[in-house]
Amino acid sequence: DAKTTQPPSMDCAEGRAANLPCNHSTISGNEYVYWYRQIHSQGPQYIIHGLKNNETNEMASLIITEDRKSSTLILPHATLRDTAVYYCNLGSQGNLIFGKGTKLSVKP
Amino acid sequence: SAVISQKPSRDICQRGTSLTIQCQVDSQVTMMFWYRQQPGQSLTLIATANQGSEATYESGFVIDKFPISRPNLTFSTLTVSNMSPEDSSIYLCSATPSGGGTDTQYFGPGTRLTVL
Repeated sequence: DAKTTQPPSMDCAEGRAANLPCNHSTISGNEYVYWYRQIHSQGPQYIIHGLKNNETNEMASLIITEDRKSSTLILPHATLRDTAVYYCNLGSQGNLIFGKGTKLSVKP
Repeated sequence: SAVISQKPSRDICQRGTSLTIQCQVDSQVTMMFWYRQQPGQSLTLIATANQGSEATYESGFVIDKFPISRPNLTFSTLTVSNMSPEDSSIYLCSATPSGGGTDTQYFGPGTRLTVL
């Protein structure tokens, strides 16, 4: 069973920030939070990951709560090409457990 | 990061036959994995492909049904044996680049298998 819980779907207006939540209340001390996205008919694309601190890269920002029981992926300016299924996963020592994902629809 | 290719990209097979899927990485990697994604579902890990030794299978997956090889650091194959319609899925290969100081996995484009 997945160790993360995500809303099954979300909508976002083009140009606005998309905030995707994830609950992982049973996360272990050595598990990282990884975010991937999968655009239809393609393999999953790595976005960002973190352990305790907030992280930012050219694609997104990751906010992890202090107790590490939840996190939020932020796409600062969503575009139509960001429409995809976003997976919040837990991983350690190379192993990755996929969640069920949130289908994000970015609308004009 | 790593660029991963898979062959074939898709196939339609008859019940009872076997299909071997190839995964090639453009650089040396430490770990390689095989996943299955059933229609409309998330990804499920089948096994970790170990170089020079038997693959490590997850619960519910067995070597007789999904034999895996990894002859070197950049190549692996997954065979789906004695196929049935229930094996219709997307099969994905992933890899963790070596020397990057990270366990981040990068994925291939997947192989879409339909069993009739």
